Amino acid sequence: GAGVSQSPRYKVAKRGQDVALRCDPISGHVSLFWYQQALGQGPEFLTYFQNEAQLDKSGLPSDRFFAERPEGSVSTLKIQRTQQEDSAVYLCASSPRAAGSYEQYFGPGTRLTVT
Amino acid sequence: GESVGLHLPTLSVQEGDNSIINCAYSNSASDYFIWYKQESGKGPQFIIDIRSNMDKRQGQRVTVLLNKTVKHLSLQIAATQPGDSAVYFCAEKYQGGSEKLVFGKGTKLTVNP
Repeated sequence: GAGVSQSPRYKVAKRGQDVALRCDPISGHVSLFWYQQALGQGPEFLTYFQNEAQLDKSGLPSDRFFAERPEGSVSTLKIQRTQQEDSAVYLCASSPRAAGSYEQYFGPGTRLTVT
Repeated sequence: GESVGLHLPTLSVQEGDNSIINCAYSNSASDYFIWYKQESGKGPQFIIDIRSNMDKRQGQRVTVLLNKTVKHLSLQIAATQPGDSAVYFCAEKYQGGSEKLVFGKGTKLTVNP
């Protein structure tokens, strides 16, 4: 079946612009996660949802970052007033929360470049 | 701080050899560990996982070993192939609460033909 999809795949924004990144999880997956991956680093957790409830947003670096999943399916990560340090790949993952496994299925990511 | 570290940033092996990628984790309260493979321009791809109540788990050509005494995790790849060339990440989930994964920096595996 279809995997996790993300759009756009690439985004170039001028410093100060707002951006919105979209994630379509695997159908039926309860949990949805956002990670930020800097060049040459491992993914770093931003936030996650269980259905439409945002259960952990401890990784969001500032109040410029906002995520939502209003109907428990598609999610949007919004970054306001982008800064150069926001340049990274933003990964979305979903998980079925099957008993005993916390495996997360990742999308291809959105590469954000702030100029 | 919270982190999962790696002993070696790069590993180069000959095709057909066995590869061992190591990972040290710092949180003794972690109850779940997972290995991912990431190729350039792609998202991480699941390889194998293990719960903290196990010390070994095998998959197809891969084995994960967990040593809780020294907080060490390893991934063994048998008969390494050129298609195994990628960056490998270990990640841990802390017991209770959030289901977030905490990733290490990664090891770049290069398989020489």
